Amino acid sequence: GDSVTQMEGPVTLSEEAFLTINCTYTATGYPSLFWYVQYPGEGLQLLLKATKADDKGSNKGFEATYRKETTSFHLEKGSVQVSDSAVYFCALSDSGGGADGLTFGKGTHLIIQP
Amino acid sequence: DTAVSQTPKYLVTQMGNDKSIKCEQNLGHDTMYWYKQDSKKFLKIMFSYNNKELIINETVPNRFSPKSPDKAHLNLHINSLELGDSAVYFCASSQDLQGSNEQFFGPGTRLTVL
Repeated sequence: GDSVTQMEGPVTLSEEAFLTINCTYTATGYPSLFWYVQYPGEGLQLLLKATKADDKGSNKGFEATYRKETTSFHLEKGSVQVSDSAVYFCALSDSGGGADGLTFGKGTHLIIQP
Repeated sequence: DTAVSQTPKYLVTQMGNDKSIKCEQNLGHDTMYWYKQDSKKFLKIMFSYNNKELIINETVPNRFSPKSPDKAHLNLHINSLELGDSAVYFCASSQDLQGSNEQFFGPGTRLTVL
């Protein structure tokens, strides 16, 4: 079945550091790929997405590129802020549609220190 | 205006009891989901509904019974609660069954079974 593997945290960085959170996936066909963010005590919010190979999703300074050849969707940000502290989830939706819901990675807890 | 709302936010109960969690979305979406997030933050799909019809039941015990009285509501009833049911339950919705659609998540219901 489909699966998503992402680096597990916690990941601790200083403010203004460069961020990379690795994500790789296993799926048949051409899944859609997502990054969701969960702030403490809240539900998940979509951060960015990409629906086909070589697409780049971007939002709030975060970027990720859909790499079919390496089955990866790594999340990057050039300069992190304390407000970016949260749990980040990489997820995919099967190419067959949304009926199966999202398959999530285990989440990466990001802590940004001032 | 809250897009996806859940009640209650917290639920503490004894083993063996029956409880319900309610979910409502005001986005006009056709598709709704229930996810379970365990103590390690891992998220797993439980059910998906489209136009009030059950699409997917992901090997969830039949003590869990979702009900969708209309497209805007998807409630979750749990019978004979067990310790292992303690988790955070998230409701989500998306426009339709297209896999590329963003899912909108509720704030979650933290269920604690004593």
